[in-house]
Amino acid sequence: QVQLKESGPGLVQPSQTLSLTCTVSGFSLTSNSVHWVRQPPGKGLEWVGAIWSGGSTDYNSALKSRLSISRDTSKSQVFLKMNSLQTEDTAIYFCTRSGRFDYWGQGVMVTVSS
Amino acid sequence: DIQMTQSPSFLSASVGDRVTINCKASQNINRYLNWYQQKLGEAPKLLIYNANSLQTGIPSRFSGSGSGTDFTLTISSLQPEDVATYFCLQHNSWPRTFGAGTKLELK
Repeated sequence: QVQLKESGPGLVQPSQTLSLTCTVSGFSLTSNSVHWVRQPPGKGLEWVGAIWSGGSTDYNSALKSRLSISRDTSKSQVFLKMNSLQTEDTAIYFCTRSGRFDYWGQGVMVTVSS
Repeated sequence: DIQMTQSPSFLSASVGDRVTINCKASQNINRYLNWYQQKLGEAPKLLIYNANSLQTGIPSRFSGSGSGTDFTLTISSLQPEDVATYFCLQHNSWPRTFGAGTKLELK
């Protein structure tokens, strides 16, 4: 069955770089896009960015200058890197499949704090 | 960006009640509206896609309606396991945008 699982550090210091991994199973990254979505505590969901089945990427315009999404199809993994982290980046980060967001991981909480 | 206004933010209802949650888009999104259920610590679960199509495996007490800018999620007879937060997503255009969520509790 389709599964996605996020992993990464729970705590990142301000100005540092966040690195998250989304490991997928039950589908191919060359046939499906994967998206990152985040949810700050007590706030709504925000689309962060995507990597498409062909390998191209799109990013939220507000985050574009700090963001990079890549993948390793042999390992069924998608990577998110966001630099210059600020406290406002504290959130649960989810990965989700396809432009229809049909399957989601359970999310990973990232806290930006010194 | 398309703004999604979801209401109510909080809802308290009894087992067996009919429950409705609304999402209003700031512009026409045709039927490109999904509904999700999110329980604490779990992955969001797709309930309804394209406004009124029931995702496989979802109980038939969940239904969706609407098109254009106004959409509704209905739970025909609330069950204890339906306690969760519900949110909508427009997938008509980029960036995708979400409703703020409705927290549903038992009275």
